[in-house]
Amino acid sequence: DQQVKQNSPSLSVQEGRISILNCDYTNSMFDYFLWYKKYPAEGPTFLISISSIKDKNEDGRFTVFLNKSAKHLSLHIVPSQPGDSAVYFCAANPNTGFQKLVFGTGTRLLVSP
Amino acid sequence: DAMVIQNPRYQVTQFGKPVTLSCSQTLNHNVMYWYQQKSSQAPKLLFHYYDKDFNNEADTPDNFQSRRPNTSFCFLDIRSPGLGDAAMYLCATSPGQGGSQPQHFGDGTRLSIL
Repeated sequence: DQQVKQNSPSLSVQEGRISILNCDYTNSMFDYFLWYKKYPAEGPTFLISISSIKDKNEDGRFTVFLNKSAKHLSLHIVPSQPGDSAVYFCAANPNTGFQKLVFGTGTRLLVSP
Repeated sequence: DAMVIQNPRYQVTQFGKPVTLSCSQTLNHNVMYWYQQKSSQAPKLLFHYYDKDFNNEADTPDNFQSRRPNTSFCFLDIRSPGLGDAAMYLCATSPGQGGSQPQHFGDGTRLSIL
């Protein structure tokens, strides 16, 4: 049973526009959420995170929004750049005191010039 | 640069022939993790070490074992690989077990089974 879902396998956006990547989760025990970016032939790289006590966290061009009632989070990239083309994984951590990440299946973002 | 290094990047083994994957880190992190990622699937946690304490996930096959001889190194041993074990294996580290500490990943080892 997939506890973290990224329902869009791929997303194409033009350079300069906004990219919105979505993630849904089912486990209400999750209290910390992370986004990772993965380029081909490389490991995932941490991008941005958010605690369940917040509804927004911003870092430069990247903003993560959390809607706890809907069990939904999204990653906004503004403006999108060709170098942002990668696979983006959403991950969630339950409130167990131990970091046991549950990952989504990823969304492949393609930003075209 | 401090990093997580996995060797080899590509490993080919025969059905049933034991194989060992290696991970080393220069971050001096307490926790090391092993994930399995099959094509188009989410990375799946196999087990982790907090210092020398080993923690196995309930659904990790018995075929998979791990060793951590010191802080810097961690190994994944697959005793009798089957065709279904072909996957990308990712090693990750984190400073501690706190939920807010991002994990740092290596570039993975892609395992193929002949």
